[in-house]
Amino acid sequence: QVQLKESGPGLVKPSETLSLTCAVSGSSISSDNYWVWVRQPPGKGLEWIGIIYHSGTTYYTPSLESRVAMSVDTSKNQFSLNLRSVTAADTAVYYCATRGYWLYYFDSWGQGTLVTVSS
Amino acid sequence: QSALTQPRSVSGSPGQSVTISCTGTSSDVGGYSYVSWYRQHPGKAPEVMIYDVSKRPSGVPDRFSGSKSGNTASLTISGLQAEDEADYYCCSYVGNYIYVFGTGTEVTVL
Repeated sequence: QVQLKESGPGLVKPSETLSLTCAVSGSSISSDNYWVWVRQPPGKGLEWIGIIYHSGTTYYTPSLESRVAMSVDTSKNQFSLNLRSVTAADTAVYYCATRGYWLYYFDSWGQGTLVTVSS
Repeated sequence: QSALTQPRSVSGSPGQSVTISCTGTSSDVGGYSYVSWYRQHPGKAPEVMIYDVSKRPSGVPDRFSGSKSGNTASLTISGLQAEDEADYYCCSYVGNYIYVFGTGTEVTVL
């Protein structure tokens, strides 16, 4: 079973860049899995952010595509999320998750990390 | 992509059945057989309960079942139990490796 754990600053200033990392254990990040980010504003629903393969191929939800970038670090067995020009609307619990190569659902999730955007 | 539409809340007594709908379009729910359902207890990460419209991962009780008709998918919980009280989200593949979640439904066990 893949285990995932998010880490990063809990507080980011408006207009700055939110940066999070997801450490992967129990599996190689170079295995046949896709790696995913999902977020959830306080008291609200889930929002799918994007997906990355270990080759570096990425796909993002259109509403965030202009501000988001995901990357993989195979040497550290982790993947990352960068979200530029943040506002208070980006305040959320950010989850990393995984999807099997031949599957179409997210079968393992991290515990989530709260990021607050505030000056 | 707009969020899929779910009822804000549903409720039922222990032992009863409840059904949650998830309405999208022909570009998401209606266009693919890749609808999944997630249960989320307060303060916890989501966990998959149904995938590919109607399949259950190992370990998920057969009280949980899924179906789809046209642009609407449904999750039915039979024999409602206290532990089923949680938020439920549908999720649909929309093509090009992209996904969209539903608005979420709060299930209350009376």
